Amino acid sequence: DTGVSQDPRHKITKRGQNVTFRCDPISEHNRLYWYRQTLGQGPEFLTYFQNEAQLEKSRLLSDRFSAERPKGSFSTLEIQRTEQGDSAMYLCASSPSGAPNGYTFGSGTRLTVV
Amino acid sequence: QQQVKQSPQSLIVQKGGISIINCAYENTAFDYFPWYQQFPGKGPALLIAIRPDVSEKKEGRFTISFNKSAKQFSLHIMDSQPGDSATYFCAASKSGNTPLVFGKGTRLSVIA
Repeated sequence: DTGVSQDPRHKITKRGQNVTFRCDPISEHNRLYWYRQTLGQGPEFLTYFQNEAQLEKSRLLSDRFSAERPKGSFSTLEIQRTEQGDSAMYLCASSPSGAPNGYTFGSGTRLTVV
Repeated sequence: QQQVKQSPQSLIVQKGGISIINCAYENTAFDYFPWYQQFPGKGPALLIAIRPDVSEKKEGRFTISFNKSAKQFSLHIMDSQPGDSATYFCAASKSGNTPLVFGKGTRLSVIA
């Protein structure tokens, strides 16, 4: 296991389309986080899971966004009816439970909405 | 509402010099303060972190200084090298139970 894996690395979509991203965390990490990063900004928290339970959602996560982590393994983040403002890097991170120093980020999925 | 304020936005340092990046936080419940390094096209990677029971932590060329009363902490990079050129983010959280809140980042360029 070499780290957090995200797929795809890049996605270009037309406004109004739905997109789905996948994150595979480090296998022994039971916490999984989604962040969004726009150009020149720090990562902004979207949501996180402990095992399969979604524990917190940011106000940034509008009703067009949904995240799942079935069986507490990989996670998916879906954006419905994409808007140009959704263009960003979507980062996934994982950590052991209760250990923020254990955050390991993936390389992200860069979404461009045209 | 920006809970962690980072400065400067960009920094140019001569090779061998000291790079200093500052952060200030508002929420006194924060008790974990990491610094992350990010290269283009990569996710952030943890550099060094500190908890408020110490005022300084050093790992190699990287040092965090922490001032609890002022609610400020800083990253010092000694003997800065061109390979240190990256974007640095400070962050804060409440001890493992809440997600990290990040600053806006500092783009560091180390020139020879």
